[in-house]
Amino acid sequence: GAGVSQTPSNKVTEKGKYVELRCDPISGHTALYWYRQSLGQGPEFLIYFQGTGAADDSGLPNDRFFAVRPEGSVSTLKIQRTERGDSAVYLCASSPGMDGNTIYFGEGSWLTVV
Amino acid sequence: QKEVEQNSGPLSVPEGAIASLNCTYSDRGSQSFFWYRQYSGKSPELIMSIYSNGDKEDGRFTAQLNKASQYVSLLIRDSQPSDSATYLCAVDRGSTLGRLYFGRGTQLTVWP
Repeated sequence: GAGVSQTPSNKVTEKGKYVELRCDPISGHTALYWYRQSLGQGPEFLIYFQGTGAADDSGLPNDRFFAVRPEGSVSTLKIQRTERGDSAVYLCASSPGMDGNTIYFGEGSWLTVV
Repeated sequence: QKEVEQNSGPLSVPEGAIASLNCTYSDRGSQSFFWYRQYSGKSPELIMSIYSNGDKEDGRFTAQLNKASQYVSLLIRDSQPSDSATYLCAVDRGSTLGRLYFGRGTQLTVWP
């Protein structure tokens, strides 16, 4: 596709459940990022992949959060034992990688934990 | 102190006026600076990037950077109702490629 694609666009889940959010980056982009945006706040960095490896996962808030990118393209953000405080928009972004630091965001996955 | 601070807003200007959005950052080693526009319910969209001191103009938008004062601003000339959105200032500290630190955003309303 032309842009960063994220699914689902909306997800409502019960507290304690497991959730997966998927991101398909712009074709050819080697760098992929997950950010989280809470209401009234700017996006906060979670994790950065260069290719298949997580080059920086220091933004993940705790060990309930995990992300993978097994083939260097699509990525999945996994949240275990969801809590109400996890409710936010989860934004995926990609960039060409070494050529500059401009990142392009997808439309986000709105997660609501009830 | 937060990494990136923006004037709290909301900011309301009449159509045709100049809108001025301000941002300060705490890490003196920061290297790259960005302004994103975010419409309600949509994802952030990059509108300006600036890397060196001075002004950078792109159409009706001008970004200004003063590294000594750790200050970035965005001016929108001839504001239009379609400019009504939240404007996010973002800073790249140079630690991780593409890792940006965002401010909370300033909500701008341009009224006809």
